[in-house]
Amino acid sequence: EAQVTQNPRYLITVTGKKLTVTCSQNMNHEYMSWYRQDPGLGLRQIYYSMNVEVTDKGDVPEGYKVSRKEKRNFPLILESPSPNQTSLYFCASSLKGTGLTYEQYFGPGTRLTVT
Amino acid sequence: GIQVEQSPPDLILQEGANSTLRCNFSDSVNNLQWFHQNPWGQLINLFYIPSGTKQNGRLSATTVATERYSLLYISSSQTTDSGVYFCAVGYNFNKFYFGSGTKLNVKP
Repeated sequence: EAQVTQNPRYLITVTGKKLTVTCSQNMNHEYMSWYRQDPGLGLRQIYYSMNVEVTDKGDVPEGYKVSRKEKRNFPLILESPSPNQTSLYFCASSLKGTGLTYEQYFGPGTRLTVT
Repeated sequence: GIQVEQSPPDLILQEGANSTLRCNFSDSVNNLQWFHQNPWGQLINLFYIPSGTKQNGRLSATTVATERYSLLYISSSQTTDSGVYFCAVGYNFNKFYFGSGTKLNVKP
């Protein structure tokens, strides 16, 4: 089944304790991206990657790191989480280009609480 | 960045009613999607529609890229249509921008 998976789905942690949220896709997509969703703000892009070893900042990259060493994986790293990073996080992937079917597919989300 | 405005922010419908959701964007785009976020938080792809018109059952969408807007039509609404509808736009797979959504509540 074609899908984007994220782990963990739920995480409660404490301020300053490094964590990684994994994202994996099995569709051979070039483009991957991380978003956070906060009440009333819609989804905001954190980082995106056009291909292996190619990453760039979205609108809200502060406090986050990413890496793209393999095409299928795009982990999100919070090296020193703070309470303002409490949010619902989504990973997405798509083929890259213009044309008929370059839509993003989203993972199930990771609900992170930082106390 | 590209500004995305969705209207209305909230919508309450009686089951069976029709509705139109609007997405305005501030700059040229070649990627536009509509999503439905269900009450469990899952984001479901509705349409990839950078231009033109598409239909899928009771839902249809139209994007007029030259006038920078897209419309999502829901006909004969059902309670399972409840949730939040998002429009997302982008250009050449750089950044993507989401609107703040339309929250739909369909009452039986």
